[in-house]
Amino acid sequence: GAGVSQSPRYKVAKRGQDVALRCDPISGHVSLFWYQQALGQGPEFLTYFQNEAQLDKSGLPSDRFFAERPEGSVSTLKIQRTQQEDSAVYLCASSPLGQGSGNTIYFGEGSWLTVV
Amino acid sequence: AQSVTQLDSQVPVFEEAPVELRCNYSSSVSVYLFWYVQYPNQGLQLLLKYLSGSTLVKGINGFEAEFNKSQTSFHLRKPSVHISDTAEYFCAVSVKGNTPLVFGKGTRLSVIA
Repeated sequence: GAGVSQSPRYKVAKRGQDVALRCDPISGHVSLFWYQQALGQGPEFLTYFQNEAQLDKSGLPSDRFFAERPEGSVSTLKIQRTQQEDSAVYLCASSPLGQGSGNTIYFGEGSWLTVV
Repeated sequence: AQSVTQLDSQVPVFEEAPVELRCNYSSSVSVYLFWYVQYPNQGLQLLLKYLSGSTLVKGINGFEAEFNKSQTSFHLRKPSVHISDTAEYFCAVSVKGNTPLVFGKGTRLSVIA
């Protein structure tokens, strides 16, 4: 497809369950970002990859959150032992150039996670 | 660290009326500024961005924004809104260099027929 693709679109997890969220960026895009958007809030930065290298993970809220992009394309955000406060929309985005260069960042439709 | 303040959480406006959505940022260095729109159940879509040069930036769907360095503002405007403009609007800032895009909390624009 032409855009950033995320799956699953909707996920309901029981508290304590592990979840994995997948992101397919736009083909050829160097940079990949994960953001977390709580209800009624703006997106908050989680982590950033340039190709396969995770250059910034300063926004990950705890060590239960882990992201990888092993071949520099598809990325997975994993949340271990989910808690209710993890309920949010997880947005993936990609861009053709590096972070902070002013280039446009393209967002996927998000993965809605509800922890019950 | 940079931050973004969107002064209005909700803005109701009648169809065909003008609208201004306010955005202020804080940063001590040069920045790039963005406005994104989020329609219900959709991802964020870029409306416009300011990188350098002319302070008046025109975007898609008839929107424009003006960068004011002295007031550290980047307000979004449209002279005549349509029902289809109903959405959430996010202002965002990025400092030049290797820093992430920082978003405001958003303004919900509701256009009333």
